[in-house]
Amino acid sequence: DAKTTQPPSMDCAEGRAANLPCNHSTISGNEYVYWYRQIHSQGPQYIIHGLKNNETNEMASLIITEDRKSSTLILPHATLRDTAVYYCIVRDANTGNQFYFGTGTSLTVIP
Amino acid sequence: KAGVTQTPRYLIKTRGQQVTLSCSPISGHRSVSWYQQTPGQGLQFLFEYFSETQRNKGNFPGRFSGRQFSNSRSEMNVSTLELGDSALYLCASRWDRGGEQFFGPGTRLTVL
Repeated sequence: DAKTTQPPSMDCAEGRAANLPCNHSTISGNEYVYWYRQIHSQGPQYIIHGLKNNETNEMASLIITEDRKSSTLILPHATLRDTAVYYCIVRDANTGNQFYFGTGTSLTVIP
Repeated sequence: KAGVTQTPRYLIKTRGQQVTLSCSPISGHRSVSWYQQTPGQGLQFLFEYFSETQRNKGNFPGRFSGRQFSNSRSEMNVSTLELGDSALYLCASRWDRGGEQFFGPGTRLTVL
């Protein structure tokens, strides 16, 4: 079962930063936080993942709170192409448990 | 490096028929997982294969089965199709237990 809670939908103005929150209050020490997104009817696309430190790549930044019970995915300059459903997933990478996708957040970037 | 490929992309079948879907993982990836996505249930895990062995299985009836070949390519089969099997079937590959999964574009199955 999904162990994360995300708002069902969010809007963001084009060019502004999109901040997508995720609660994972029952996360255990070995579990990573992963973010994927899915543009309509396409396969999910990997964005970023992290364990406890903040992470940044060419697509986004991941901010994980010190207690690891929540995180925020940041798209620094949202474009219309970032309109998608964003999934936050916690997973124990060491045991190889599966990726359980919840309902995600539907982000709409507004021109 | 080529991504995950799935064939066919679209398929129409009738109730009672069976169907086989194919997935070619990213070169070097040994794990292949299958997911079903429907509007009502979202993305649900079907099963995972690693080195030709089923390693994990989701909560689906026995009509859903799969296999993996020595070159890591995988197939999934659905027998005695039902209307509720209409869905987007997604395949994902990864190198091993750790790390991220990379998804293919999916096969859209419609059961009439």
